Amino acid sequence: NAGVTQTPKFQVLKTGQSMTLQCAQDMNHNSMYWYRQDPGMGLRLIYYSASEGTTDKGEVPNGYNVSRLNKREFSLRLESAAPSQTSVYFCASRLTGDEKLFFGSGTQLSVL
Amino acid sequence: QKEVEQDPGPLSVPEGAIVSLNCTYSNSAFQYFMWYRQYSRKGPELLMYTYSSGNKEDGRFTAQVDKSSKYISLFIRDSQPSDSATYLCAMSRGSGNTGKLIFGQGTTLQVKP
Repeated sequence: NAGVTQTPKFQVLKTGQSMTLQCAQDMNHNSMYWYRQDPGMGLRLIYYSASEGTTDKGEVPNGYNVSRLNKREFSLRLESAAPSQTSVYFCASRLTGDEKLFFGSGTQLSVL
Repeated sequence: QKEVEQDPGPLSVPEGAIVSLNCTYSNSAFQYFMWYRQYSRKGPELLMYTYSSGNKEDGRFTAQVDKSSKYISLFIRDSQPSDSATYLCAMSRGSGNTGKLIFGQGTTLQVKP
């Protein structure tokens, strides 16, 4: 049982480059989330998808786009990466009606 | 002012000590309170989960919620070196809020053998 799987684990980008972070869950969860974690800031919600076919902005959505490809997969795209987007990105999922989130192992992204 | 405040530490204790980790919050609408444990270079994993006020115990871990004071705590008894990690408190307003969690900054704990 893999849970929440994120790829890649590490990535280095140059300013202005684009990339997509992939996330898949095998727990049949309805809701999926993208968080970023920065030192001293805790985890902050970027975007979430309450169910297949819907997406909504979280606390820090600027500079990002998301796609809920199907029930299992939720991707995060950086169209034009900036140094301020250097962070560790976590994907999470939960079952509708349950407040508990299950997290992936993260993607460490550096934008130079 | 952040909705959830948590002392980032670091906190260093000897093996066997009782550890107390705390968070304060400002939003009285929060109903669900969680503690996540995060090992270095790993994702957070749920450790304790409490609805509304009261205590919850699971082995060496006890979570307390005092809604009147807007204060939550996690106690670790007989701490072990394997407890060395970052502990994040998290809370939400309930299922009507689509499960969006508000996290504290995390407290880094080191348990020395």
